[in-house]
Amino acid sequence: AQSVTQLDSQVPVFEEAPVELRCNYSSSVSVYLFWYVQYPNQGLQLLLKYLSGSTLVESINGFEAEFNKSQTSFHLRKPSVHISDTAEYFCAVLYNQGGKLIFGQGTELSVKP
Amino acid sequence: EAQVTQNPRYLITVTGKKLTVTCSQNMNHEYMSWYRQDPGLGLRQIYYSMNVEVTDKGDVPEGYKVSRKEKRNFPLILESPSPNQTSLYFCASSSPVAGEQETQYFGPGTRLLVL
Repeated sequence: AQSVTQLDSQVPVFEEAPVELRCNYSSSVSVYLFWYVQYPNQGLQLLLKYLSGSTLVESINGFEAEFNKSQTSFHLRKPSVHISDTAEYFCAVLYNQGGKLIFGQGTELSVKP
Repeated sequence: EAQVTQNPRYLITVTGKKLTVTCSQNMNHEYMSWYRQDPGLGLRQIYYSMNVEVTDKGDVPEGYKVSRKEKRNFPLILESPSPNQTSLYFCASSSPVAGEQETQYFGPGTRLLVL
């Protein structure tokens, strides 16, 4: 069965520290990978996506994620976090174009001063 | 401004009282979906629609209905709400344009409490 696993439900970090949010998915030939962010009391916003090409993708606010086909992972990283990055982050996988988008359970990132 | 809108944003109701949550998008998207978000479970798809008059069940369709009479609107109907339908609901849409159809755009969410 197709599934997406976010290994950490909560990640507390101090401001300016690096962070990695982990995401693994069940193996498939063709996948499209996404990270969405949900700030408190708001809807989901697309943070970054991998469709094809370079396996390293970046967002405008300093996050990056790397598609690792052999490990079926799409971990999200940021070298130095800010208080404003506090939010819930969802990894999502689309199995085949036009198919269903499957979400992970979400990771709450809490950045402390 | 391109957006997906949902109404109402907050709703408290009682068991068995029919309700409808509206969803509208102004991007001419063909694909639309409804999700519910519950703590520890992420987002789960309720129903989706590939185009007008074309709808299909997602992972958790029980207790819900949808309709797609117009391209821009995709209402979610709870004929007889129950407390286990207390949740945060999101509508989403995506473009049919090649290279864009994989990305879904989400509405602001509707928080529903069923007493």
